[in-house]
Parts: sequence; C-alpha cells; structure tokens
Amino acid sequence: SQQGEEDPQALSIQEGENATMNCSYKTSINNLQWYRQNSGRGLVHLILIRSNEREKHSGRLRVTLDTSKKSSSLLITASRAADTASYFCATEPLPGANSKLTFGKGITLSVRP
Amino acid sequence: EADIYQTPRYLVIGTGKKITLECSQTMGHDKMYWYQQDPGMELHLIHYSYGVNSTEKGDLSSESTVSRIRTEHFPLTLESARPSHTSQYLCASTGLAQETQYFGPGTRLLVL
Repeated sequence: SQQGEEDPQALSIQEGENATMNCSYKTSINNLQWYRQNSGRGLVHLILIRSNEREKHSGRLRVTLDTSKKSSSLLITASRAADTASYFCATEPLPGANSKLTFGKGITLSVRP
Repeated sequence: EADIYQTPRYLVIGTGKKITLECSQTMGHDKMYWYQQDPGMELHLIHYSYGVNSTEKGDLSSESTVSRIRTEHFPLTLESARPSHTSQYLCASTGLAQETQYFGPGTRLLVL
C-alpha cells in the first residue's frame, strides 16, 4: 500500500519564486526523505528528516515534519530553472524485519525562466 | 555523484526475448534494490538484496528474477520479455548503516 502521497501533483512557478510541496503518509515512520528526479534519470537524495525532528535546512531547501498530522513539506526558496524536476517523498517505517523505503507518486515542478 | 551504474541505458527488444539488466556499484554497499517506474508514476520495489546470496521479492509482483553473487553486482533478468514489461527500471543501493539510497541512471525498456 502506498505510504507517501505528495501534493500538488504538478506545480509551475516563475524563477525566483518559492516552491512548496507537501507529503502525507499513513503509518508511523522512522524518517522521511525527499528525492529529486530529473527527466529520464535516477533519483537523487536531497534531505532526510527523522521522526524526532521538526525542521531541517540544506542550502535553499527547508523541510518540516509534523508527526501528529503525518505530513511533511519541502520548501525550495528562490527557485531556479535548474530546479525543474520531479520531487518524491519517501518514508522509512519504524525499524523491523521488513522496513523499506516507500515512495510517493511524485510532484512535477516546472520553473519558468 | 553516486558510483552506481546501469547498462544498458535504453533497450528495445522483441517479445519473447531473454534480457538481463545490469547494475553495479563500487561503494561496497550491502543493500541493493530494483524499482520499476512508469512515466510520471511512483516507484515500485520489485526486488531487493541485503547481501551476497540474499534476494527477496518486493511489493510489486514481477516476472523478473535477480541474483547476488557478488556484493557489487545485482543483475535483473527477464526470461521472456512482454510488452507489459515496458517501463523504466531503476537500481539503488545503500550501506548497512545508512538510510538514504543511491540510484543509478536507470534502464528504459521497450518491448515490442
């Protein structure tokens, strides 16, 4: 069963604007991760936030996690055309024999020059 | 940039052919994964391995098979390709103590 669901499915913004993407999940997690995928390529890890963390920053990226609402958001500030890609959230369940990452459907971000 | 490689990058074959998609990593990672991804869709885990001689089926039923004879190598084989196998196949790996996955560039398969 799908764990993470991103929202919106697609987002188009102007260069320089901020992009906010959301992810909701169903069951308790150990951590939540965001990945980027450029067209026709593999995924690249962006940032990981653990269940006991509320906010993390990495460069122009800011991730928040609200475990009470089972949701996370990824904010990209001062977007650039090169940020155009698909963004996936992935959740790692609590440690166990079969704990594996589960990916959402992804959000397509288009940044217009 | 992750040191994980997939070949071929693109493959067009006829129905009924046997194919092997190669995946190799030079990071010494114990855990390796195969995902299937249709355009614009989520990733589905089809196989994974936690070490040499260890392979497991993933969440999505697949007619493919895998082997893990060497740590760095995790090939995926389709004995008889069908048009329904047309998709992108992504290989990933991670270390035992790591939580993030490193992905290869993917193989785009088209079965005619």
